[in-house]
Amino acid sequence: GAVVSQHPSRVICKSGTSVKIECRSLDFQATTMFWYRQFPKQSLMLMATSNEGSKATYEQGVEKDKFLINHASLTLSTLTVTSAHPEDSSFYICSATRGGLAGGPYEQYFGPGTRLTVT
Amino acid sequence: TQLLEQSPQFLSIQEGENLTVYCNSSSVFSSLQWYRQEPGEGPVLLVTVVTGGEVKKLKRLTFQFGDARKDSSLHITAAQPGDTGLYLCAATLYAGGTSYGKLTFGQGTILTVHP
Repeated sequence: GAVVSQHPSRVICKSGTSVKIECRSLDFQATTMFWYRQFPKQSLMLMATSNEGSKATYEQGVEKDKFLINHASLTLSTLTVTSAHPEDSSFYICSATRGGLAGGPYEQYFGPGTRLTVT
Repeated sequence: TQLLEQSPQFLSIQEGENLTVYCNSSSVFSSLQWYRQEPGEGPVLLVTVVTGGEVKKLKRLTFQFGDARKDSSLHITAAQPGDTGLYLCAATLYAGGTSYGKLTFGQGTILTVHP
């Protein structure tokens, strides 16, 4: 299998506080992990690409100082939303990639998502 | 500019009907994946297509990859209420290098199958 977990599944925090979300690949080592944000009834919006041992690559318009990404190992990446505000409320989803060997396709496996509500 | 055009965005049908979702681009795909997502959950990978002209079947779902690898379709036969969800196509628009499998997503198709 290819199982990706996320923790917590739901979090409510007060404005100005920071929230950490963990993403783990449970049964495989992930080449790369990605962080997405999703608004209701919309597609996924890529926030950043995370590789173990190196700095994350952020998409245009995503504030790297606000969304801190740490990729501690081949199975764990964390996203910290710093000084959260109500507009940061969203569904955050991570994915872990495997494959790409011998020119074959990469496949992304997604976590179950984290619902963040900032009050 | 949307690199991956997915249509239709919304689809509401009766149980037993057939439907097709399309995914198109002006760029060549290295590979393309279809996902299904239910509310409050992460997307679940349904299929990966790599070869131009490829056809893959998953029970009542048929996936086609265009010969030129610029388009793909998902066809569902005899839809059931359990098929309800958000369907996403996603493509790797370039291979190798430092892409690490970065995906470009279509806008998504919200499918509702009424009993």
